[in-house]
Amino acid sequence: EIVMTQSPATLSVSPGERATLSCRASQNFGSNLAWYQQKPGQAPRLLIYGASTRATGIPARFSGSGSGTEFTLTISSLQSEDFAVYYCQQYNNWPQTFGQGTKVEIK
Amino acid sequence: EVQLVETGGGLIQPGGSLRLSCAASGFTVSSNYMIWVRQAPGKGLEWVSVLYTAGSTSYADSVKGRFTISRDNSKNTLYLQMNSLRGEDTAVYYCATPGGLKDSSGYYYVRYWGQGTLVTVSS
Repeated sequence: EIVMTQSPATLSVSPGERATLSCRASQNFGSNLAWYQQKPGQAPRLLIYGASTRATGIPARFSGSGSGTEFTLTISSLQSEDFAVYYCQQYNNWPQTFGQGTKVEIK
Repeated sequence: EVQLVETGGGLIQPGGSLRLSCAASGFTVSSNYMIWVRQAPGKGLEWVSVLYTAGSTSYADSVKGRFTISRDNSKNTLYLQMNSLRGEDTAVYYCATPGGLKDSSGYYYVRYWGQGTLVTVSS
């Protein structure tokens, strides 16, 4: 099983600032990685797939990069609606596995 | 428009059974792999089970032998039969699917999620 490790656990950012979230995999698997945003009481929302492709309707301030074992989600200028928990997920191997999440909170 | 609607959650005593349903619309359940993912209160996302298009299944070790995933093609609905429930099974259960979508490398990614149904295992 591929173990996904996200850092930091919590990121405190001011509105308008840049946020950089990391996701590390225990094995190399290419670029079959997705990022999700989850707000309290809601289902996860797909942001990025294929490590760097934005899903339909996702604003350009969200970008993904990386391959192999190191991945990054960048939010270029945080808006109020972006404060949430973010999860990475590898879908290259079964079982699909998720990181433990990074909470982006208002500084 | 693709929609997934889970039902069947509730309060159940340890050792009991529950069947979750996930009614799909806008796509065909049997033409996509379907997964169940759960989230314990205040915790992260945990993959539970997958049902492949050919009908084969796979389970997380934590539920193997106790949970069964299945589908009814005539109802376009996915199920999760949960037996011998334990306190650690308490979670919101989501069904999810690629809905036929692949990335540039040809891998299906999980695009669509239901709203979730809460299962509470407690005496």
